[in-house]
Order: sequence, then structure tokens, then C-alpha cells
Amino acid sequence: DIQMTQSPSSLSASVGDRVTISCRASQNIEIFLNWYQQTPGFAPKLLISSASNLQGGVPSRFSGNGSGTDFTLTISPLQPEDLAIYYCQQTFLVPMYIFGQGTRLEIK
Amino acid sequence: EVQLLESGGGLVQPGGSLRLSCAVSGFTFNNYAMSWVRQAPGKGLEWVSGLSASAGSADYADSVKGRFTISRDNSRNTLYLQMTSLRAEDTAVYYCVKNLGPYGSIQGDYFDYWGQGTLVTVSS
Repeated sequence: DIQMTQSPSSLSASVGDRVTISCRASQNIEIFLNWYQQTPGFAPKLLISSASNLQGGVPSRFSGNGSGTDFTLTISPLQPEDLAIYYCQQTFLVPMYIFGQGTRLEIK
Repeated sequence: EVQLLESGGGLVQPGGSLRLSCAVSGFTFNNYAMSWVRQAPGKGLEWVSGLSASAGSADYADSVKGRFTISRDNSRNTLYLQMTSLRAEDTAVYYCVKNLGPYGSIQGDYFDYWGQGTLVTVSS
């Protein structure tokens, strides 16, 4: 099975900062990596598909990068409404849609 | 506007059964695969099951295989999850989600719409 490991598990940053969340796959998943945002009390929301494709309506301060085993989600500049847990998901080895354990983002 | 509305959650004893429903509107239901994703209290996301648009192909996580059955009624725009032999570790919020296209289990798939979730609690 593919393991998805996110780092850090949590972080705290200030409004206006540049924040980077990492996701590492235990094997090559090419570009089949999605990112989701879960704000408190709500269902997850798709932000980015295929490593770098920003979904419609998602602010341009969100960006994704990577291929193979190492991926990043960057938020710049950070806004107060970005308080959330962020999950990566691999869709290379289907149907095992494995998610990372999540990264909790707090705003200072 | 796309809407996915889950129902059927509740408290059930270990070993019991429950059927979740997900009523869909705002897109052509029979053109898309659908899935269930769950989230245990305070925990991360776990894909549970997926079903192709035609209902011809179903997949399950190992943790629920043989106990859960996914189905759909395309005439009613509704997705179901029949859960049997429930265990404490099945306690979670269950989300109904829409897949990218008609076939689940494709590389590059993603879940672009999510319901609000329904809570299933397995406890005596």
C-alpha cells in the first residue's frame, strides 16, 4: 500500500506569511495528488487536483507543486480564513484513495 | 447548485446495521461515479467505498469489505451505503462525495463535491 505522510502535522503562521505544507508518498505517484481544505465544522473542499491544477473559485494564493514522491501546497499571502486542516490524497493507486494524516494550520 | 444531502446516521449497537442515503441534485447523477468517505471523531479522512455511474463496478476499503454494500438508484438520484456487522471503529461522520467522471478507480480522480456528512455512532 502507498503511505502518504504530511509535514508538519501542525503549524502556526501570521496573516500575510507564506506557508508551505509538504506531502510525501511512499512510492512514485507521478502527478496524481490532490489537496483538500477542511475548515472547522465543514466538509472538506477540493483545492488542487493533479498536483498543481487549481480548482475553479479557489483563490490564486493557493498553489501546488511536485511530482513523483514529493509535493507541496503553498499559501501566500496567508489570510485569516485559511484556518483549516489540509489533506493530500493520492489517486495513482486506485481505488485506494489514500489520504495523508492532515496538517492543521493555525493563524497567530 | 450542486447539493449532496446525507441521511440515515444515528446510534447503533455493535453488530447492528444501518443504511445511509445521499440525495443528490444540481448535476446529472447517472453520469458520475460516487463514493463514501468517513472521518472518525478528531481523525483524518478515510475512503470507504466507490460505485461507478452505471453501478456496474463497486470498490471497498479493506476495513469494510464484506460488511458494507454501496448501491445507487439513478431514477431517484440517490446513493446508498448499507452497513452491517458494525463495530465501534466504524464510528465516524460519513460523507457522500462526487467523483470526477463516470468511472471510479481511475488515476487522476478526485472528489469535487461533498455532502455535509451524517454521524454514525456504534456503541452499546
